[in-house]
Amino acid sequence: AQSVTQLGSHVSVSEGALVLLRCNYSSSVPPYLFWYVQYPNQGLQLLLKYTSAATLVKGINGFEAEFKKSETSFHLTKPSAHMSDAAEYFCAVSRTDSWGKLQFGAGTQVVVTP
Amino acid sequence: SAVISQKPSRDICQRGTSLTIQCQVDSQVTMMFWYRQQPGQSLTLIATANQGSEATYESGFVIDKFPISRPNLTFSTLTVSNMSPEDSSIYLCSVDGDGYEAFFGQGTRLTVV
Repeated sequence: AQSVTQLGSHVSVSEGALVLLRCNYSSSVPPYLFWYVQYPNQGLQLLLKYTSAATLVKGINGFEAEFKKSETSFHLTKPSAHMSDAAEYFCAVSRTDSWGKLQFGAGTQVVVTP
Repeated sequence: SAVISQKPSRDICQRGTSLTIQCQVDSQVTMMFWYRQQPGQSLTLIATANQGSEATYESGFVIDKFPISRPNLTFSTLTVSNMSPEDSSIYLCSVDGDGYEAFFGQGTRLTVV
């Protein structure tokens, strides 16, 4: 079965600093991996996805993630944090029984300080 | 990308009652999914709704508690039955996209008192 582990339930970054959110996965088959963002009182918005093409994936709002098979990781980064990046971020992996079904990590709450 | 509308966006309900949540998609999709997000928690898949067949429920979720309808390829409903305060959660509808991603509605924020 697939699983996702997000390291750090809360991350605090200064405005302009690097944002790094860690995600490790477990999958018996080559995975499809995703990062979603959830702003307060809103649904989930897709930031980026890995579907076995390029290992470095660029998403919206300046985010990118790198798929590293040897490390079973899919960490999310953004070079310079903005106040608007304050939100909850979820890493997810598609299940093998249906790629529309997602297994989510526990989430990481990002706080951006001035 | 699919545009998904959920109704209601939020509700406060009395324990013992039921609430039906609607999910409308702007295009035809084969499968629709219902998730629950308990306070401060991640998302957990409740069930998969296919048009023309019974919904498929995940372990820990049963049809009597969460009956689902899927009358056509653009619409589904989830009912939360005989509610208790433990059912207070955000309920989200999602559909699969053409590029292996999933798109989500804005969610229904349910508080049971």
